[in-house]
Amino acid sequence: EVQLVESGGGLVQPGGSLRLSCAASGFTFTHYWMSWVRQAPGKGLEWVASIKEDGSETYYVDSVKGRFTISRDNGRNSLSLQMNSLRDEDTAMYFCARGGATGGRYAYWGQGTLVTVSS
Amino acid sequence: DIQMTQSPSSLSASVGDRVTITCRASQGISSYLNWYQQKQGKAPKLLISAASSLQSGVPSRFSGSGSGTDFTLTISSLQPDDFATYYCQQSYSSPLTFGGGTKVEI
Repeated sequence: EVQLVESGGGLVQPGGSLRLSCAASGFTFTHYWMSWVRQAPGKGLEWVASIKEDGSETYYVDSVKGRFTISRDNGRNSLSLQMNSLRDEDTAMYFCARGGATGGRYAYWGQGTLVTVSS
Repeated sequence: DIQMTQSPSSLSASVGDRVTITCRASQGISSYLNWYQQKQGKAPKLLISAASSLQSGVPSRFSGSGSGTDFTLTISSLQPDDFATYYCQQSYSSPLTFGGGTKVEI
């Protein structure tokens, strides 16, 4: 059974940092792109970042470029999102999702971890 | 970036109704279009990929069609479990953008 379990969310002040993690199991992690998708309270889904199977390519939505870093540890089947210089508008539920390559789909999702940026 | 526009943004329907949700891309995306269902407080669930390919375990009352710029998600006979928000998403080019969602209410 495919499982994606996020952790690391919480309350942080504007300008602060947070690191999200996603533990993957039930599939061959090294065979898939992985992504982070977020959803602000009461809003729709927004793709945040994606990383290629071997970590050699990463992509970001413009609003987080230079502030967020997606990475993966294929030995530990884990995905991370380092978030720096956080802003109020980064407040959202962050979902880890399997997939992200062009032509593909987000076939599996984690339950999400909530990030709240507030003073 | 490719913009995805869904309509309507919300709709009210009854059990047994036929429901149609449309999604329009700002440029041609061939059949690189996926549909997701999201229930309140839950993660999205993939329903349909490549515009019309029903995922395993998804009831056959769901169907998708379209190519190019115009796409449709149809629920042939709405069931109580189907009340949720539905999103389209293009995978033709990065960033893989989502539509704004369609909330299906009783």
